[in-house]
Amino acid sequence: EPEVTQTPSHQVTQMGQEVILRCVPISNHLYFYWYRQILGQKVEFLVSFYNNEISEKSEIFDDQFSVERPDGSNFTLKIRSTKLEDSAMYFCASSEVEGSEQYFGPGTRLTVT
Amino acid sequence: GQQLNQSPQSMFIQEGEDVSMNCTSSSIFNTWLWYKQDPGEGPVLLIALYKAGELTSNGRLTAQFGITRKDSFLNISASIPSDVGIYFCAGQGPFGNEKLTFGTGTRLTIIP
Repeated sequence: EPEVTQTPSHQVTQMGQEVILRCVPISNHLYFYWYRQILGQKVEFLVSFYNNEISEKSEIFDDQFSVERPDGSNFTLKIRSTKLEDSAMYFCASSEVEGSEQYFGPGTRLTVT
Repeated sequence: GQQLNQSPQSMFIQEGEDVSMNCTSSSIFNTWLWYKQDPGEGPVLLIALYKAGELTSNGRLTAQFGITRKDSFLNISASIPSDVGIYFCAGQGPFGNEKLTFGTGTRLTIIP
């Protein structure tokens, strides 16, 4: 069964460093998302992406964040200068069409020290 | 922004018992989804609901989309040990809005 994959599973970085989190969405899906979950809290929306552009972003997704679909399979989230409060699980999700079910990847645990 | 209140926050039950949890919102959604999350893993989709009043089953799981479009419930019948985890409701919409708004979660624990 097709699934969303994410790499790395765990990333440790120092404050101020740039990180890139990678995702491979389900192959025939057209809508892509990033969410984050701070330990013990609910999942929060960051950004949605369709047709090579951002369709919606939350207040969390400030100028330090960017997304890219560099080729036909990968979808990346870049944090330019990480802060301690960026420590969280980051989940990628994809859906086939607008409004259809979103399927989540296993997540990348980001630890900023 | 949209807020989803999920209750109960946690449940402690014995194996074989039935479970019921619900989600309420101050605003309407076009779609309600229920996810299960195990520790350190991503949310796994259990059930998706698309129409007000819809009642949908997936094995031992049953979920309903409230008539007002502002609430949903999830029932699990005859719980088994692998049902342990955190259950999240999520709403999508109402105007072609793709993002999911997640509830606060219900942690299910099965007492041996």
